[in-house]
Amino acid sequence: QVQLKESGPGLVQPSQTLSLTCTVSGFSLTSYHVSWVRQPPGKGLEWMGVIWTGGSTAYNSLLKSRLSISRDTSKSQVFLKMNSLQTEDTATYYCASDQYWGQGVMVTVSS
Amino acid sequence: DVVMTQTPVSLPVSLGGQASISCRSSQSLVHSNGNTYLHWYLQKPGQSPQLLIYRVSNRFSGVPDRFSGSGSGTDFTLKISRVEPEDLGDYYCLQSTHFPNTFGAGTKLELK
Repeated sequence: QVQLKESGPGLVQPSQTLSLTCTVSGFSLTSYHVSWVRQPPGKGLEWMGVIWTGGSTAYNSLLKSRLSISRDTSKSQVFLKMNSLQTEDTATYYCASDQYWGQGVMVTVSS
Repeated sequence: DVVMTQTPVSLPVSLGGQASISCRSSQSLVHSNGNTYLHWYLQKPGQSPQLLIYRVSNRFSGVPDRFSGSGSGTDFTLKISRVEPEDLGDYYCLQSTHFPNTFGAGTKLELK
């Protein structure tokens, strides 16, 4: 069945780079796009970006200068990298494909 | 970017009652292909969001017919009839017609 699972560090220091991995199963990355969405504690959902089946990407304009999404189709993995992290980037980060969502990974930005 | 204005922020309801949530977009959500990519999600406490309605009015698999979506252009509504305990949580609209995609700020459906 279709599954997505996020992984990455739970704690990142301010000004550092966040690297997350979304490992998918049950479908091919060349057939379905994958998006990243985040949610600060107690707040709403923020769409971050998407990688399409052909490998092209689109980003939230507010994050575009700091955000990069890439993939390794052979490993069924999608990667999120975001630099210059600040405390406001503390959130649960989800990867999603259409109706399927991962469980999310909580990332805290703190020294 | 398209701004999604979702109201109300909080919606107290009685079990068995009806709820209505509005989502208005700052520009038309009709895609050049004629489709309207407005979707509704429910997020229960401690869980990932789950898709309820896609493309305005299509119930996702397994979603009870108590949930209905309607609207066009810039004005959309999610209605829940005969509210049950498992319906409580945070509701979000999402537009994916334009990039970047944008969510509404959310509506908390809670018991009166």
